Amino acid sequence: DAKTTQPPSMDCAEGRAANLPCNHSTISGNEYVYWYRQIHSQGPQYIIHGLKNNETNEMASLIITEDRKSSTLILPHATLRDTAVYYCIVHRWGKLQFGAGTQVVVTP
Amino acid sequence: EAQVTQNPRYLITVTGKKLTVTCSQNMNHEYMSWYRQDPGLGLRQIYYSMNVEVTDKGDVPEGYKVSRKEKRNFPLILESPSPNQTSLYFCASGRSGGLSYNEQFFGPGTRLTVL
Repeated sequence: DAKTTQPPSMDCAEGRAANLPCNHSTISGNEYVYWYRQIHSQGPQYIIHGLKNNETNEMASLIITEDRKSSTLILPHATLRDTAVYYCIVHRWGKLQFGAGTQVVVTP
Repeated sequence: EAQVTQNPRYLITVTGKKLTVTCSQNMNHEYMSWYRQDPGLGLRQIYYSMNVEVTDKGDVPEGYKVSRKEKRNFPLILESPSPNQTSLYFCASGRSGGLSYNEQFFGPGTRLTVL
């Protein structure tokens, strides 16, 4: 499975958009990009996933570059409850590798 | 309520004493998986199962066993626990959709301490 690279930390002001980058330059054609987040020591929570096209749901938007080597998760209006570690993962066939993730702190 | 349950939530045991951590899901998911989380090492996959009677190793399978005899349950077995297996363990389940396993639902975690 492809490895991912994310910045270790990021601050965001409440109400502003948070843009979380992820590099996955070795991704192969059948591998999906997934985003999860983990608040404290709770179980990770699914946010969104995509293959080639951009995706949007009630939580976030996922922008995947045309060459698929990087993606950006967008939280459109960050709230204090969005403070968490965000993981970008690429996988197929069930084997997942979580990286270190990005610690996002949303400040008032 | 759709959920993944794990038992026990907390366990303190001694080296060599066999233990089982249970995981159960009520969403009829084909896919289930176990992870461990350690400070500085993040979440690492132990084993996963794509369906009943089908299991595969993740990145850190040594010292663990699993079984998938029925769809809803995926127990994690430590035959002879050692202190380096002290960790926070998560079980997860998800639907299978071709090459994608869609969203995974995670359990609340089991904090295991091996003395």
